[in-house]
Amino acid sequence: NAGVTQTPKFQVLKTGQSMTLQCAQDMNHEYMSWYRQDPGMGLRLIHYSVGAGITDQGEVPNGYNVSRSTTEDFPLRLLSAAPSQTSVYFCASSYEIPLAGGTDTQYFGPGTRLTVL
Amino acid sequence: TQLLEQSPQFLSIQEGENLTVYCNSSSVFSSLQWYRQEPGEGPVLLVTVVTGGEVKKLKRLTFQFGDARKDSSLHITAAQPGDTGLYLCAVPLNNNDMRFGAGTRLTVKP
Repeated sequence: NAGVTQTPKFQVLKTGQSMTLQCAQDMNHEYMSWYRQDPGMGLRLIHYSVGAGITDQGEVPNGYNVSRSTTEDFPLRLLSAAPSQTSVYFCASSYEIPLAGGTDTQYFGPGTRLTVL
Repeated sequence: TQLLEQSPQFLSIQEGENLTVYCNSSSVFSSLQWYRQEPGEGPVLLVTVVTGGEVKKLKRLTFQFGDARKDSSLHITAAQPGDTGLYLCAVPLNNNDMRFGAGTRLTVKP
């Protein structure tokens, strides 16, 4: 099992450019999510999906789009990059949907470090 | 203000020392997780605590969930350089959301 894979590992964009961050998992997990990690702020949920064809917004969704056409893949699209989107992006997956009291393990990818100039 | 407040924000100690880091909130949670994140990697789950007052041990790491389920602590005995990393606490919420604290960045010097 490769677990959760993310590409690219590093990316530099200019303001206004668009790009897609790729995420794939081979564990047949239904729940997948995208986080951004900024210094002093921990990880914040951007979008999540509870299964193929179903997506929803997290805590900080503005400026990002997602789709889930297959169980394995969950790409994150930046429509028009802004310097405020400079961050490290993590994709994660789990067998169960996070619920209050839940104990399931979320598996994280290695991250994509994005810089927007 | 963040839902989860972690302290200290930074901690630098010598190998062999003991340490405790904290995860506090004014909210009550049904469960709480601790993750460790090494530079350039994603977080890795260490433990989940569920019951108020619960204590779990993972080798030299001891995790405790507060009696009121509002806070948690992580104690490391005889820290080693391999313990260096960012320690994050997280709670699953009812709306399919996971909330993380900002973390404690631990450096253990040889």
